[in-house]
Amino acid sequence: DSGVTQTPKHLITATGQRVTLRCSPRSGDLSVYWYQQSLDQGLQFLIQYYNGEERAKGNILERFSAQQFPDLHSELNLSSLELGDSALYFCASSVDPGRQAEQYFGPGTRLTVT
Amino acid sequence: GQNIDQPTEMTATEGAIVQINCTYQTSGFNGLFWYQQHAGEAPTFLSYNVLDGLEEKGRFSSFLSRSKGYSYLLLKELQMKDSASYLCAVSPSLNQAGTALIFGKGTTLSVSS
Repeated sequence: DSGVTQTPKHLITATGQRVTLRCSPRSGDLSVYWYQQSLDQGLQFLIQYYNGEERAKGNILERFSAQQFPDLHSELNLSSLELGDSALYFCASSVDPGRQAEQYFGPGTRLTVT
Repeated sequence: GQNIDQPTEMTATEGAIVQINCTYQTSGFNGLFWYQQHAGEAPTFLSYNVLDGLEEKGRFSSFLSRSKGYSYLLLKELQMKDSASYLCAVSPSLNQAGTALIFGKGTTLSVSS
């Protein structure tokens, strides 16, 4: 158990819908990262937050957005869903982005778009 | 561009030693990570190299050569539970905003008895 929690574990929804994935980082970690993992692409970095502020952006679609709240939990919003958005979505946290530190991954949310 | 290459699949037998290679080309370099991921589960941290050389941690060792853009993960005394995907990941640069990792597609290791 990494100490990072994600809900829900599974999500099945239809094309065109909108969903919200939630992540709580390890106690004391200020930085949260979101990754998408699909079979053909591997783990792809989407976005990073540090202490409530966006820190870095990766291959995140405009239909996707995220935020980190004052209690440090984060939410990833996916809208106008397409079949290709079906994937495992992982959240990770680390203690201090000012220096390189290992990232601890949550159990993931498996999203299936039908 | 950013590119990380590692073999797609490898097989080995229990008790053997296996070496998983990783080559990378990134815009900067601030360290290389190895993660283990069992199917459908979260990646778990194995090792971190930022300087050239070998880091040993129990049955697992990781090597880095920055000049060659090359790393390997060495697994000794293989056990069935080592069957998993092994992900090589690079942190491009600490000077850039953020410390996100760029991952390779992973090497699926199958250990047989």
